[in-house]
Amino acid sequence: RKEVEQDPGPFNVPEGATVAFNCTYSNSASQSFFWYRQDCRKEPKLLMSVYSSGNEDGRFTAQLNRASQYISLLIRDSKLSDSATYLCVVSRYSSASKIIFGSGTRLSIRP
Amino acid sequence: EAQVTQNPRYLITVTGKKLTVTCSQNMNHEYMSWYRQDPGLGLRQIYYSMNVEVTDKGDVPEGYKVSRKEKRNFPLILESPSPNQTSLYFCASSSGQKVPYEQYFGPGTRLTVT
Repeated sequence: RKEVEQDPGPFNVPEGATVAFNCTYSNSASQSFFWYRQDCRKEPKLLMSVYSSGNEDGRFTAQLNRASQYISLLIRDSKLSDSATYLCVVSRYSSASKIIFGSGTRLSIRP
Repeated sequence: EAQVTQNPRYLITVTGKKLTVTCSQNMNHEYMSWYRQDPGLGLRQIYYSMNVEVTDKGDVPEGYKVSRKEKRNFPLILESPSPNQTSLYFCASSSGQKVPYEQYFGPGTRLTVT
């Protein structure tokens, strides 16, 4: 079983739709959580960090459920430019040393 | 401009021919890391470095070496490349001081070993 698991998709949704991704992690000692975005053949870029209290950045909302060991990302009012692969990332320790990436969820927004 | 650079961006080589992929960052970051990305497997950490002269293995270190003689540089060395090392490689850096740790990635190096 992978340490960080995501539904690979692809998710194909119309522009303006709300879409949600989930990610589960198996190591209960995991400390830090992130969502990264990766465009085709490009480098990953941080979308947002995920805090226990949940956090929002514009149309994006991230939630962390430590008890169930899952992380979610909600995208509201999706835009064509949101088409990308979304990577769930977990840091095993409080330092930056051990960082585990999920395989990513592909999202395609259609006009 | 704050950035992570990698060279070369594309490389085709033959089995057994030693190669080095360079990585450099201009953000004075302590932490640097190498990943490989393969279809269906996501990014997997090869090696990381918490500071100069401090390196440690990630999840898939076999067949790779690294060094960290200067803060800004973190080269990845393949002493005897094999076809199973054909992959997309990313270097990343982070300040390592602020939780949570945002990583900044280089543009990637696409390596093909024949």
